[in-house]
Amino acid sequence: GESVGLHLPTLSVQEGDNSIINCAYSNSASDYFIWYKQESGKGPQFIIDIRSNMDKRQGQRVTVLLNKTVKHLSLQIAATQPGDSAVYFCAELSYNTDKLIFGTGTRLQVFP
Amino acid sequence: GEEVAQTPKHLVRGEGQKAKLYCAPIKGHSYVFWYQQVLKNEFKFLISFQNENVFDETGMPKERFSAKCLPNSPCSLEIQATKLEDSAVYFCASSQGTGDHYTQYFGPGTRLTVL
Repeated sequence: GESVGLHLPTLSVQEGDNSIINCAYSNSASDYFIWYKQESGKGPQFIIDIRSNMDKRQGQRVTVLLNKTVKHLSLQIAATQPGDSAVYFCAELSYNTDKLIFGTGTRLQVFP
Repeated sequence: GEEVAQTPKHLVRGEGQKAKLYCAPIKGHSYVFWYQQVLKNEFKFLISFQNENVFDETGMPKERFSAKCLPNSPCSLEIQATKLEDSAVYFCASSQGTGDHYTQYFGPGTRLTVL
């Protein structure tokens, strides 16, 4: 049968609505977290990051929330636009290894 | 340059042939990372370099995969005797890597198809 990897969780939103994409990370000792956006045929594009000593960080139209108690990360996109349609990945990193551990991506579909 | 550059964009090899992929990190970045993305979803870390020195190679299938970052040359990832399961997109990323500069910036990837 088909691999689970081909069936990404999908979030469908209407243009102008807010989007929330969630991620459960694996390592309670991770120091740093990043959200990446990947469009079809392209490499991951940095969106926003947050260090483990913070619980919230805001960028332009995006906010990342970190809940270390339950090892949960979320990405909020305000006023979602068609250009936001992509697969979004969270990634975690420990300073002593530097390698990114990626979560399962979420496909965001924005409808007009 | 201001972006990570990867060549070639696409590479097709018959099973058992060699494949070599190249990466030029962002100018001024000391760290280079290679990741393998399969099924358009899962990313697997392969190897990282600090300048020309291997920093972490725990993800590398050592029997067939090798990588180098030599001074004044693009970094390279080489696969000897490719197998069908090596078909994937290979991404290179670079970072300044120290202090507050841990963000890894990714190149556009090389799609390897093994037939």
